Amino acid sequence: DIQMTQSPSSLSASVGDRVTLTCRAGHPITTHLNWYQQKPGKAPNLLIYAASSLQSGVPSRFSGSGSGTHFTLIISSLQPEDSATYYCQQSYNTPYTFGQGTKVEI
Amino acid sequence: QVQLVQSGGEVKKPGASVKVSCKASGYTFTSYYLHWVRQAPGQGPEWMGIINSSGGGTSYAQKFQGRVTMTRDTSTSTVYMELTRLRSDDTAVYYCAREDGAVAGIFDFWGQGTLVTVSS
Repeated sequence: DIQMTQSPSSLSASVGDRVTLTCRAGHPITTHLNWYQQKPGKAPNLLIYAASSLQSGVPSRFSGSGSGTHFTLIISSLQPEDSATYYCQQSYNTPYTFGQGTKVEI
Repeated sequence: QVQLVQSGGEVKKPGASVKVSCKASGYTFTSYYLHWVRQAPGQGPEWMGIINSSGGGTSYAQKFQGRVTMTRDTSTSTVYMELTRLRSDDTAVYYCAREDGAVAGIFDFWGQGTLVTVSS
C-alpha cells in the first residue's frame, strides 16, 4: 500500500494569510493526487484532483501542485470558512490511500 | 443534482453483521462506479472497495477481503455494503462515494455517512 504523509498535523493562521499544506507519497504517484476538505460531521469534499486541477465550484484561492512524491495545497488568502481538516489521497493504484490530515484553524 | 443518501446509524454487537445502503439520484446510476470509504473516530478516511454500478463487478481492499460484500440494485439505484464478523475497531462512519466519470479513484460526490458502532 502507498503511505501518504501530511504535514503539519495542525496549524493556526489568520484571515488573509497564505497557507501551505504538504503531502508526501511513499512511492511515486505521478500526478494521481487529490485533496479533500472535511468539516466536522460532514463528508469530505473534493477540492483539487490530478494534483493541480480545481474541482468545479471550488474557490480559486485553493491551488495544488507537485508530482512524484511531493505535493502541496495552497490557500492563497485564508477565509473563516476554510477552517477544516484537509486530506490528500492517492489515486495511482488500489488500495486508494489517504493521509492523516492537516487541521486548519483560524 | 447528484445525491447519495445513506441509511441510518447502526449499533451492533461484536461478531454481528451490518448492511448499509446508499441510494443515488440526479444522474444515470449505471454510468458511474461507486466506492465505500470508512473513517474511524479521529482518523483519516480508509478505502474499502468499489462496485461497478452497471455490471456489479467488485474489487475490495485486501484488508476487508472475506468480510465485505458490495452489491447493487439497478431498479432502485441503490448500492449496499455488508460487513460481517464485526469487531470494536470497525466502529466508524461509513461513506459511499461516486467515482468521477473520467478518471479512476477520484471521489466527486459523497453520501452523508452512516455511523456504525460496534459495542458489547
